[in-house]
Amino acid sequence: AAGVIQSPRHLIKEKRETATLKCYPIPRHDTVYWYQQGPGQDPQFLISFYEKMQSDKGSIPDRFSAQQFSDYHSELNMSSLELGDSALYFCASSYWGSSYNEQFFGPGTRLTVL
Amino acid sequence: AQKITQTQPGMFVQEKEAVTLDCTYDTSDQSYGLFWYKQPSSGEMIFLIYQGSYDEQNATEGRYSLNFQKARKSANLVISASQLGDSAMYFCAMRESRETSGSRLTFGEGTQLTVNP
Repeated sequence: AAGVIQSPRHLIKEKRETATLKCYPIPRHDTVYWYQQGPGQDPQFLISFYEKMQSDKGSIPDRFSAQQFSDYHSELNMSSLELGDSALYFCASSYWGSSYNEQFFGPGTRLTVL
Repeated sequence: AQKITQTQPGMFVQEKEAVTLDCTYDTSDQSYGLFWYKQPSSGEMIFLIYQGSYDEQNATEGRYSLNFQKARKSANLVISASQLGDSAMYFCAMRESRETSGSRLTFGEGTQLTVNP
């Protein structure tokens, strides 16, 4: 079965640089979510989109922005990167019409800021 | 505000035995969903099981079952017949219900399960 695709899988950036993470949801899924997981921590919700509109917003820094495109893929743009942004970034997708509306997670993008 | 508590940072179990991972939650919502995810050392998050707040039956999925005690606000995961491949971090998570899709999951701190041969 098709899964959530995230690219790149690994990314190394310098402080103050910019990064763009991409997420391709499972076909037919209408909702995407972004989570940030720091080392040894639980995932923290950043933002979500349902049918290309922002649905819920968590503790996403102002330096970050995200959007969902007409083909339902999503991008997380991160500017002025800081050392503390080093983390595993998950994208998840769900389908509103499913029984549980469970979120299926991608493999994550591991971002390292030097 | 929602809160998920997993009080067991680490658990050990012998292969083929059953293990219970604890999860308690705090919410003022009447309608909510509870999830368990498994995160192996490779990093991916794998959905295991779901329990809705209005579900009267405890959820079961293969070797996974959820011991849901609504009055006590607990949703413990039971893994039967543990296998070596069950060694991983396990997260309990809650989602509040909304009119539309996109509601966040709030995660607990996780429990690191080690299955011994």
